[in-house]
Amino acid sequence: NAGVTQTPKFQVLKTGQSMTLQCAQDMNHEYMSWYRQDPGMGLRLIHYSVGAGITDQGEVPNGYNVSRSTTEDFPLRLLSAAPSQTSVYFCASSYSRPTYEQYFGPGTRLTVT
Amino acid sequence: GIQVEQSPPDLILQEGANSTLRCNFSDSVNNLQWFHQNPWGQLINLFYIPSGTKQNGRLSATTVATERYSLLYISSSQTTDSGVYFCAVLSNAGGTSYGKLTFGQGTILTVHP
Repeated sequence: NAGVTQTPKFQVLKTGQSMTLQCAQDMNHEYMSWYRQDPGMGLRLIHYSVGAGITDQGEVPNGYNVSRSTTEDFPLRLLSAAPSQTSVYFCASSYSRPTYEQYFGPGTRLTVT
Repeated sequence: GIQVEQSPPDLILQEGANSTLRCNFSDSVNNLQWFHQNPWGQLINLFYIPSGTKQNGRLSATTVATERYSLLYISSSQTTDSGVYFCAVLSNAGGTSYGKLTFGQGTILTVHP
């Protein structure tokens, strides 16, 4: 199993550009989520999904969209990038419910200029 | 929301030394995990331990849920143990973000040869 994979590893965007951060898992996990990690702020939950077709907002959802058309994939879309979205983004997944062990992807380091 | 405090914030060791990292949390939890964030930024799962004691090689962890703390023990430390150690909890008190892991601020461990 590859576990949780994320692409790209690094990305530089200009303000106003859009892009999609990809996340995939091959563990048949139902629960998936996105976090961002910023110095001094720790990891904060952006969006989560409890299964295909079901998504909901976390604590910092503004500026981000998600969808979950398959169990395996949970992309994160930035519609109009802003410098405040410069961060390291992590995708995580767990079997069935988040009370089970959660596994994190390797992260995407995003810089918005 | 739930508060997570880790101590010490920084720890410098010589190779071969032992150490204990502590995680205190302010409310009852459904999930508690220990992670190691390596110098490349990856979050590596160490333990899923909402209660009880587990061991994995030179590392072991204990969670006393009734007293709201967890301990991570590292024995015979190696330079590859360097990095940041995070404790993360999932509150069972409900809240605005289902499944949100709340991370402590981390312990920065440096092991010198």
